Amino acid sequence: SAVISQKPSRDICQRGTSLTIQCQVDSQVTMMFWYRQQPGQSLTLIATANQGSEATYESGFVIDKFPISRPNLTFSTLTVSNMSPEDSSIYLCSVSGYEQFFGPGTRLTVL
Amino acid sequence: GQQLNQSPQSMFIQEGEDVSMNCTSSSIFNTWLWYKQEPGEGPVLLIALYKAGELTSNGRLTAQFGITRKDSFLNISASIPSDVGIYFCAGVNNTDKLIFGTGTRLQVFP
Repeated sequence: SAVISQKPSRDICQRGTSLTIQCQVDSQVTMMFWYRQQPGQSLTLIATANQGSEATYESGFVIDKFPISRPNLTFSTLTVSNMSPEDSSIYLCSVSGYEQFFGPGTRLTVL
Repeated sequence: GQQLNQSPQSMFIQEGEDVSMNCTSSSIFNTWLWYKQEPGEGPVLLIALYKAGELTSNGRLTAQFGITRKDSFLNISASIPSDVGIYFCAGVNNTDKLIFGTGTRLQVFP
């Protein structure tokens, strides 16, 4: 299985600011995904990060709020823009197809 | 949208007991996965199931893909303290998206 790292592991941010989360994989992967896990909740898919093209967003998530980059087959970033306290969550990246492997997550608190 | 209902929501058991949890859906899934998440970590894949009726084991864990393709269960035998965590089922739908269940929080007392 792929080894996935995320930066930062946690952050506390002020409302109205933006945070960019990085996801690095130790091998080339075709598919990378970003999920949100709100406090005490399950995981919800935000978008599929496509290499060389725009990300594909799920219903309820938009590019202006969660811009995603995927410059190569081992790296992706998710930006949480113009944050509000409701954005306080764990953000996770995952890789591969059906059997998805997850990074350790980024715990975001917005004050 | 598609939803996966997991039960029970939480379990408090004694070390050595067996555990059973299940996941049901109103829709058909092509693949069922079971994950475990510990505090401060991402989910870790435990078992993957690809065929209706399939029964797969991983150590003390056994999972089955329901024959209707709308449900799955996970059993843990002879639980130990390190089994503590949140267990999530996840199904792969016909658009190849992973849909997660609501989670079962397991607490094991020595």
